[in-house]
Amino acid sequence: AQSVAQPEDQVNVAEGNPLTVKCTYSVSGNPYLFWYVQYPNRGLQFLLKYITGDNLVKGSYGFEAEFNKSQTSFHLKKPSALVSDSALYFCAVYGNNRLAFGKGNQVVVIP
Amino acid sequence: DTGVSQDPRHKITKRGQNVTFRCDPISEHNRLYWYRQTLGQGPEFLTYFQNEAQLEKSRLLSDRFSAERPKGSFSTLEIQRTEQGDSAMYLCASSPPTGFYGYTFGSGTRLTVV
Repeated sequence: AQSVAQPEDQVNVAEGNPLTVKCTYSVSGNPYLFWYVQYPNRGLQFLLKYITGDNLVKGSYGFEAEFNKSQTSFHLKKPSALVSDSALYFCAVYGNNRLAFGKGNQVVVIP
Repeated sequence: DTGVSQDPRHKITKRGQNVTFRCDPISEHNRLYWYRQTLGQGPEFLTYFQNEAQLEKSRLLSDRFSAERPKGSFSTLEIQRTEQGDSAMYLCASSPPTGFYGYTFGSGTRLTVV
């Protein structure tokens, strides 16, 4: 079965510094990978996806993610974090007709 | 509003009561999903509809849970004889019939069983 791992529970970063949220995946066949963000008491908002093509994917709000097939990773990045980026971030992989999510990473951007 | 709508946003119920949640997907999306999210965890798959057909149910969906999607439009998720362990955020999502562009999620229904 498909799965993703998000090894860190919380990521703390100073405002203006680069932000990285890590994700590794396991799936049979070609990976379809996603990042979502969740604000308190809200549903998940789509940030970006990798289906095929360039390994560097650009998404919403200045986020990007790098797909690395040899390392089975899909890390989320932002060059300069904002306080408003503080939220819960989920990596997901598609397989067997559904998205499988990681446990999430709480990102805290410190002013 | 062309997003996914869920109703109610919050529900507090006593243990043993039945509750029903509603999800209205994006109108042109024929696939609809229910997920459950508990504190500190990612969303867990519950069930999946394509049009009105329920194609898959997770083992998480015990006999007390039932989902329907009459006429392939809105969907309902019912929990009978609620237990405290049912307390969670219930998320609905939909996706279009062709290609794959990810899911659009609703804002969720937060259930608290007291």
